[in-house]
Amino acid sequence: DQQVKQNSPSLSVQEGRISILNCDYTNSMFDYFLWYKKYPAEGPTFLISISSIKDKNEDGRFTVFLNKSAKHLSLHIVPSQPGDSAVYFCAASPILGGSNYKLTFGKGTLLTVNP
Amino acid sequence: NAGVTQTPKFRILKIGQSMTLQCTQDMNHNYMYWYRQDPGMGLKLIYYSVGAGITDKGEVPNGYNVSRSTTEDFPLRLELAAPSQTSVYFCASSLGAGELFFGEGSRLTVL
Repeated sequence: DQQVKQNSPSLSVQEGRISILNCDYTNSMFDYFLWYKKYPAEGPTFLISISSIKDKNEDGRFTVFLNKSAKHLSLHIVPSQPGDSAVYFCAASPILGGSNYKLTFGKGTLLTVNP
Repeated sequence: NAGVTQTPKFRILKIGQSMTLQCTQDMNHNYMYWYRQDPGMGLKLIYYSVGAGITDKGEVPNGYNVSRSTTEDFPLRLELAAPSQTSVYFCASSLGAGELFFGEGSRLTVL
């Protein structure tokens, strides 16, 4: 049973436009969410996170939105650049019970930004 | 600053062989993890450690063992390699909640 779902295996956008990557979760105990970016032959790198007490977190071109009632989060990249082409993983963690260090990952979305 | 270093980067094993994937971090992080990533899948947690001498199972621990004798090192042992263990293995570390720092990965093929 997938607790973190990224239903779009791939996404293609034009340079300069907005990229929107989506993520859904089923576990109500999740209250901390992260996005990681992964280039081929490299390990994932942390991009941005959001706690359940917020509905938006922004860092430069990257914004993550959280809709707790819908158990949905999205990552917006504006403007998209060719260097953003990578696999993006959504991850979630429960804070309660000291388990906040165990992340559950989605399958990832391959973003391709075309020049 | 090296971060998280994994060795080897590539390895081919025969069924039934054993090997150890090495992982070391120089950030003085208490928490360390081993994940595996199969094609088209997300990362699945194999084992984790919250400090030296303390380890626990993750989601897919069968066929693996770990030890954590120092803060820096967290080796992953495969005792009897099976084709189902063909995967890319990532070691990671963190201070606690949230941001994990990953190594570059170790690609293992079992034939």
